Amino acid sequence: GAVVSQHPSRVICKSGTSVKIECRSLDFQATTMFWYRQFPKKSLMLMATSNEGSKATYEQGVEKDKFLINHASLTLSTLTVTSAHPEDSSFYICSAPRPRDSSNYGYTFGSGTRLTVV
Amino acid sequence: GNSVTQMEGPVTLSEEAFLTINCTYTATGYPSLFWYVQYPGEGLQLLLKATKADDKGSNKGFEATYRKETTSFHLEKGSVQVSDSAVYFCALRGNSNTGKLIFGQGTTLQVKP
Repeated sequence: GAVVSQHPSRVICKSGTSVKIECRSLDFQATTMFWYRQFPKKSLMLMATSNEGSKATYEQGVEKDKFLINHASLTLSTLTVTSAHPEDSSFYICSAPRPRDSSNYGYTFGSGTRLTVV
Repeated sequence: GNSVTQMEGPVTLSEEAFLTINCTYTATGYPSLFWYVQYPGEGLQLLLKATKADDKGSNKGFEATYRKETTSFHLEKGSVQVSDSAVYFCALRGNSNTGKLIFGQGTTLQVKP
């Protein structure tokens, strides 16, 4: 249980276009979603935290206007990379806290989105 | 602020060898500590966790002990298998109510037959 489905798994877009990444919690309500970016051979860097019904909290150095995060419902959070450029190419991962009554309390992660901007 | 430091990789071992991946952390208070594993082409999966000092997390033959005196949470396995080849991430969650995880840089493990 406590599965997060992330789509698309892979996307290639032209420079200047926008890309939307979706994360859905399939069998639980995710009031919070964390969005990470993973550079090749490097760690996951937290970009922002989204909370259902309120504005996202961005980490220092993350451009709010470039990485638009929306948490429209208890089961859906989206990350939109606006006016993408090649330097935005990366692996983006979402994560949600598991329900507290889960035997595996912790976090569940989406399978990630590989974004390539050409 | 909170931070996690892992040993540099990649780590290459022969099957049945002993594995240690070092992880140290910096945090105020009493964080919870985690090890996550990322198999090729897949998302992160929780491997084990420890929520207080001297706790030992264990799963699939892997173990890690929360050592507050040395601020460490080293991952160990007595006998690795080819199927253990993956990237391993040490992470901490501070004791604030934000719930966010801070990750180490990841260590790639390659096990050869």
